[in-house]
Amino acid sequence: QVQLQESGPGLVKPSQTLSLTCTVSGASITSGNYYWHWIRQPAGKGLEWIGRFYTSGRTAYNPSLKSRVSISIDTSRSQFSLRLNSVTAADTAIYYCARLSPGYWGQGILVTVSS
Amino acid sequence: QAVVTQEPSLTVSPGGTVTLTCDSSTGAVTSGHYPYWFQQKPGQAPRTLIYDTDNKHSWTPARFSGSLLGGKGALTLSGALPEDEAEYYCLLSYSGAVVFGGGTKLTVL
Repeated sequence: QVQLQESGPGLVKPSQTLSLTCTVSGASITSGNYYWHWIRQPAGKGLEWIGRFYTSGRTAYNPSLKSRVSISIDTSRSQFSLRLNSVTAADTAIYYCARLSPGYWGQGILVTVSS
Repeated sequence: QAVVTQEPSLTVSPGGTVTLTCDSSTGAVTSGHYPYWFQQKPGQAPRTLIYDTDNKHSWTPARFSGSLLGGKGALTLSGALPEDEAEYYCLLSYSGAVVFGGGTKLTVL
């Protein structure tokens, strides 16, 4: 059974860097033809795609966030990570990691940007 | 960046049938957009119902089906139950990017 679990600080100060990690169990993040995603959802709003990486190592990002975001992987720990620079209150949201095909999601982690 | 549009809200009677649609600002939705459909209930993480247009997850109830309809992605619910009341999101893939629709709030009443 594939499981994903987000972890990281729940509070980040404005202008600093948000860093989250997704730990995957039950599947290899470097095998198979899969995309692994980061997605977020501000309170009371819809889902926003942040970015993804492919098992080959290719990455892609939401154009609106591209200048501030990066995704990296640690195959030894079966983890992939999100870094979002220069955060503001608008980056406050629940952040999810997911493998959309066929549909495995983490439970989400609330990150608040506040001084 | 493409914009993906869904009906903001729909209502269906218990036992009734309803179709939710997913429209792309770039033109007709095709299988090449690999349409996905997600269900989200309050306080819960989204869960995938349909992937790659019409494929179901092992936990997807048989009453849900995905298709392409009139140039749009479509999610049809046949035989609605009260527990199907939720927010539904679609997702389309474009070259190197992925875009969510704004969501449809489905009321079973």
